[in-house]
Amino acid sequence: AIQMTQSPLSLSASVGDRVIITCRASLDIRSDLGWYQQRPGVAPQLMIHTASRLQSGVPSRFSGSGSGTNFTLTISSLQPEDFATYYCLQAFTYPYTFGQGTKLEIK
Amino acid sequence: QVQLVESGGGVVQPGKSLRLSCAASGFTFGRYGMHWVRQAPGKGLEWVAVLSYDGSAKIYLDSVKGRFTVSRDNSRNTLYLHMNGLRTEDTAVYYCAKSRRTGWLMQGFDPDYWGQGTLVTVSS
Repeated sequence: AIQMTQSPLSLSASVGDRVIITCRASLDIRSDLGWYQQRPGVAPQLMIHTASRLQSGVPSRFSGSGSGTNFTLTISSLQPEDFATYYCLQAFTYPYTFGQGTKLEIK
Repeated sequence: QVQLVESGGGVVQPGKSLRLSCAASGFTFGRYGMHWVRQAPGKGLEWVAVLSYDGSAKIYLDSVKGRFTVSRDNSRNTLYLHMNGLRTEDTAVYYCAKSRRTGWLMQGFDPDYWGQGTLVTVSS
């Protein structure tokens, strides 16, 4: 199975900060990568698909980039509702695999 | 709007069986593949299984292969997960999720909408 490695696993930041989360795949997955946000007790929400395409309804402060094995999720100016856990998911081949998650906390 | 509502979770002893259901609405259910994803308490997300739009193709996580069976009834807009031989390590919230794209694909078939999940606890 393809291994997905996220970093950092936790991150403290302030409202208005720019944050970057990275995800590395153990094999080339082209651009078949999604980013999900999960708030406590709530189902995950798709934020970015195909590495860089913003899912409908997601604020433009979220952006994604990368292809092959290295990917990033950037939040340009953190808002209070953005503090959550973020997961990457490779959708290149089955079994689909998630990264370990990055917990974004308020500083 | 898309709605997915899981049910059927509960407490079950190791070795026993359970069937989860996922009722779908707000989209043409029979055109989309569907996933099951689970999350153990305090842990990350783990993809479990996918079923094609017509039920003809099924793929499972190795650790559930031979124990779990995914199926669907397109006339009832419902997805199922039949779980046999449950183990303590199967304890998790189980989410059903709709594929982002129609048809059946190996790539780019990632989930977009998710249900609220149903908790399965395997314990003696």
